[in-house]
Amino acid sequence: AQSVAQPEDQVNVAEGNPLTVKCTYSVSGNPYLFWYVQYPNRGLQFLLKYITGDNLVKGSYGFEAEFNKSQTSFHLKKPSALVSDSALYFCAVRDKRGNTPLVFGKGTRLSVIA
Amino acid sequence: EPEVTQTPSHQVTQMGQEVILRCVPISNHLYFYWYRQILGQKVEFLVSFYNNEISEKSEIFDDQFSVERPDGSNFTLKIRSTKLEDSAMYFCASRGDFTDTQYFGPGTRLTVL
Repeated sequence: AQSVAQPEDQVNVAEGNPLTVKCTYSVSGNPYLFWYVQYPNRGLQFLLKYITGDNLVKGSYGFEAEFNKSQTSFHLKKPSALVSDSALYFCAVRDKRGNTPLVFGKGTRLSVIA
Repeated sequence: EPEVTQTPSHQVTQMGQEVILRCVPISNHLYFYWYRQILGQKVEFLVSFYNNEISEKSEIFDDQFSVERPDGSNFTLKIRSTKLEDSAMYFCASRGDFTDTQYFGPGTRLTVL
């Protein structure tokens, strides 16, 4: 069975500082990994994904994530946080085999303080 | 940029009533999904749909739920007899044949009284 853990319910960071939102996963095969962001009263917006290849993937709005197979992690990062990055961030995983659905973490609320 | 759209944005219903939530997936996408998010909880998979049939469903997707693609554009989720615990945000998602990314709609907030 697949699972995702986001160990932090809330992450606070000052504007301009680097941010990290943590995610670890468990799948039986090779993973497809995703980050989505949810702004208040909005749907889930795709940020980035890891499928194969380079372990560092770059996505929308200056975000990037590093796939670490040995640590089964896929942490989301940004070098310099903006107040507008404040939102709920979800990590998701699915097995590469077949058309399996996404399994989401519980989400991490990011608050960027001016 | 193409988007998944959902209607209505908010639906209020009485317990025991039937509701139909509507989604228009991105044109030329072939895989369709419904997820739900109970307030304050994680996003949970309900059902996936491909080639006019259900591919996979979760334990949540019991006999009270059904999905349909009545025409070439809409994808619907029906709840036959709503319960209080069905209150949640329901998200539709779609995926193309040559991409691994699911694109989500804005959601329908269902409130069962």
